[in-house]
Amino acid sequence: DTGVSQDPRHKITKRGQNVTFRCDPISEHNRLYWYRQTLGQGPEFLTYFQNEAQLEKSRLLSDRFSAERPKGSFSTLEIQRTEQGDSAMYLCASSLGVSGVNTGELFFGEGSRLTVL
Amino acid sequence: DQQVKQNSPSLSVQEGRISILNCDYTNSMFDYFLWYKKYPAEGPTFLISISSIKDKNEDGRFTVFLNKSAKHLSLHIVPSQPGDSAVYFCAASAHGNKLVFGAGTILRVKS
Repeated sequence: DTGVSQDPRHKITKRGQNVTFRCDPISEHNRLYWYRQTLGQGPEFLTYFQNEAQLEKSRLLSDRFSAERPKGSFSTLEIQRTEQGDSAMYLCASSLGVSGVNTGELFFGEGSRLTVL
Repeated sequence: DQQVKQNSPSLSVQEGRISILNCDYTNSMFDYFLWYKKYPAEGPTFLISISSIKDKNEDGRFTVFLNKSAKHLSLHIVPSQPGDSAVYFCAASAHGNKLVFGAGTILRVKS
């Protein structure tokens, strides 16, 4: 399967613990996005990378959230000191992007569902 | 602020009839619009897109219409099939940047 893969698919943690999600994009895609989705809402943008550079981060994103994309391949999203409000589906997507040009759709993974008790 | 709005949380349609899903946007910088479909426990999958230089794009049973003056777009599915039952998200971007999504509309196609 050459689509976007995310791991783990499900994570249950206690409040205050740290969690990390991993995303492996489609190999030739240079852009990688993280979105968060809660029940009844559409995906909400968190951050995105072009190659290894983090180009944009949502101003709504708490300092407890950090994302990396070393070497411009896979990415990790870490949430420190989790809170119950962090419970959501965390979606990763990738695309072949060129600055200023609409080059097509994002390809999403199946998501990582986080439950904070 | 919700830049992309889908005001109908759900829609129910009889099999074989037309489904029309609507979307409004407020950011005049948006120049590319997309529709995604999402089944339970899966990530969203791309359905169809339209550039702001067009007012219509068709792909099989799916047609997207764009009315820039009204900042409105719609997705028409005809004929609707039970397998089309899913959540449909409208999304928009400006100059190749991140996609901004609406809250989604649940479509139920009854057989």
